[in-house]
Amino acid sequence: RKEVEQDPGPFNVPEGATVAFNCTYSNSASQSFFWYRQDCRKEPKLLMSVYSSGNEDGRFTAQLNRASQYISLLIRDSKLSDSATYLCAVNDMRFGAGTRLTVKP
Amino acid sequence: GAGVSQTPSNKVTEKGKYVELRCDPISGHTALYWYRQSLGQGPEFLIYFQGTGAADDSGLPNDRFFAVRPEGSVSTLKIQRTERGDSAVYLCASSASPAGEDTQYFGPGTRLTVL
Repeated sequence: RKEVEQDPGPFNVPEGATVAFNCTYSNSASQSFFWYRQDCRKEPKLLMSVYSSGNEDGRFTAQLNRASQYISLLIRDSKLSDSATYLCAVNDMRFGAGTRLTVKP
Repeated sequence: GAGVSQTPSNKVTEKGKYVELRCDPISGHTALYWYRQSLGQGPEFLIYFQGTGAADDSGLPNDRFFAVRPEGSVSTLKIQRTERGDSAVYLCASSASPAGEDTQYFGPGTRLTVL
């Protein structure tokens, strides 16, 4: 089993839709969790850290479920500019394969 | 300020050759990470430096791969006897604090092609 797993998608959604991604991790001792965004042929950039109590940044909400060992990312009112690959990372250095999102007009 | 830089941006080499990839982290960042990323995959961890020492090299795939950071700033990833399967984008990242405590900033990567 991979250390960090994500649904690869692709997710194709219309503008304004709400979309959610999950990411599962195998190491129950994991302490830190992150969501990154990666545009085509670019480097990953941190989108947000994921805190135990859940956290929100504008249209983006991240949650952690330690019991089931997964983190989630919710994007509300999606924009065309949200089209990218979303990577989850655990303990800073272990990344999932990424979920591709395409937002269409 | 300047971000993480990597050179070269592209490297084409022949199977069996030796290559060196360079990473200049953000000034003052003590932590430095190397990853490689293949098409359709996430970054695969290779090695993590805290200062001059390799704090975690568990991701290096075999003994053909080696990395150094002699003065705690610039790092070089060295690949001996390159194989076609080594072709990937090699990403470097740095952070101001040890792993898990601070944001990682990635460089643009070096695209390595082994013919």
